[in-house]
Amino acid sequence: QKEVEQDPGPLSVPEGAIVSLNCTYSNSAFQYFMWYRQYSRKGPELLMYTYSSGNKEDGRFTAQVDKSSKYISLFIRDSQPSDSATYLCAMSRYGNKLVFGAGTILRVKS
Amino acid sequence: DTEVTQTPKHLVMGMTNKKSLKCEQHMGHRAMYWYKQKAKKPPELMFVYSYEKLSINESVPSRFSPECPNSSLLNLHLHALQPEDSALYLCASSQPPDSPEGGYTFGSGTRLTVV
Repeated sequence: QKEVEQDPGPLSVPEGAIVSLNCTYSNSAFQYFMWYRQYSRKGPELLMYTYSSGNKEDGRFTAQVDKSSKYISLFIRDSQPSDSATYLCAMSRYGNKLVFGAGTILRVKS
Repeated sequence: DTEVTQTPKHLVMGMTNKKSLKCEQHMGHRAMYWYKQKAKKPPELMFVYSYEKLSINESVPSRFSPECPNSSLLNLHLHALQPEDSALYLCASSQPPDSPEGGYTFGSGTRLTVV
């Protein structure tokens, strides 16, 4: 079993839809949770960073962490074609390496 | 523009060549990383430098040799690579892990092709 599970998609939605991206994990020691967006042939761009449980909002993006269920989510409101990319969840525990999910390919159709 | 700068953006090298990848950050981060990413896969960790000292080497072949000359610079020296080493090489940096302003910042990467 992988430490971090993420559905690779692709996920295809119409413009303006609310997108929900999710990851589950097995290591209860993870404390730091991140979401990255990666466009083709570019480096990952940090979208959201959360320490421990809770919600965090930044513009159209909301990240949720539920440590009791070992489940994290990223919501994108009013999705745009420019949001089409691969979304990677990542997590770590103190002093340890970042563990990535497989990445979900998102396509927003205009 | 990313705050982690990688050069060159593209590199084609023969299997007998020696080349270096460079990475620079001016965010005051004290941890720096090299990752390798193959197409349609997540990044894989290669090396971690913490306070300019190598702290993690993920059993990377010796044909890859990292160097951290100072807190802002990270190099990856390449020698006698194989075609299967062709990939996107990413540099990243971060604050200490318990910082409230954490998260890893990645560069745009060097796309390496070994011929």
